[in-house]
Amino acid sequence: DAGVTQSPTHLIKTRGQQVTLRCSPKSGHDTVSWYQQALGQGPQFIFQYYEEEERQRGNFPDRFSGHQFPNYSSELNVNALLLGDSALYLCASSLGTGPGELFFGEGSRLTVL
Amino acid sequence: GQQLNQSPQSMFIQEGEDVSMNCTSSSIFNTWLWYKQDPGEGPVLLIALYKAGELTSNGRLTAQFGITRKDSFLNISASIPSDVGIYFCAGYNAGGTSYGKLTFGQGTILTVHP
Repeated sequence: DAGVTQSPTHLIKTRGQQVTLRCSPKSGHDTVSWYQQALGQGPQFIFQYYEEEERQRGNFPDRFSGHQFPNYSSELNVNALLLGDSALYLCASSLGTGPGELFFGEGSRLTVL
Repeated sequence: GQQLNQSPQSMFIQEGEDVSMNCTSSSIFNTWLWYKQDPGEGPVLLIALYKAGELTSNGRLTAQFGITRKDSFLNISASIPSDVGIYFCAGYNAGGTSYGKLTFGQGTILTVHP
């Protein structure tokens, strides 16, 4: 049974560029949440997708956008990258929108130069 | 916004010792969760607490949901080298504007010396 898978695992971008990160939820899960984890910090909630809609959003600018597909997979897009966007981006999946069993992927490490 | 304060920030202990860490919040949560994160990995759920005053164990781990709903603690008994990692508390409130959002603490870094 595959867990949460994320791609790419590492990537390097320059300021002003755009990036797309991808997530496949654990089998049987229908909800995907995205978190940003800066070095030495706890994860910060970006947004959650359920039934292909953004259900809740954290304190992140509109440069951060997402999408959920009919197969429940999800993408996180970040436009006009800033140095401060360098972080580990974590995808978490669950069944329904409660916390219950929230399973995290290994993350995508983004470095902005 | 809501913030969780974890303490201590780091711990250096000998194998076999017991460990205690806690988490406090400026506001109420109705669910508390404890996660462990190893280097290069995502957080893994250790224990979930759903009721004020609840005490829950998972092997050598024990966690409690404070009766004020503003705190939680995690104990690890008889530590072993594989307990090394970063431990995060997280709070959650169902419904309202917090729908679907976990708030994490800053983490406690645990080092276990053999």
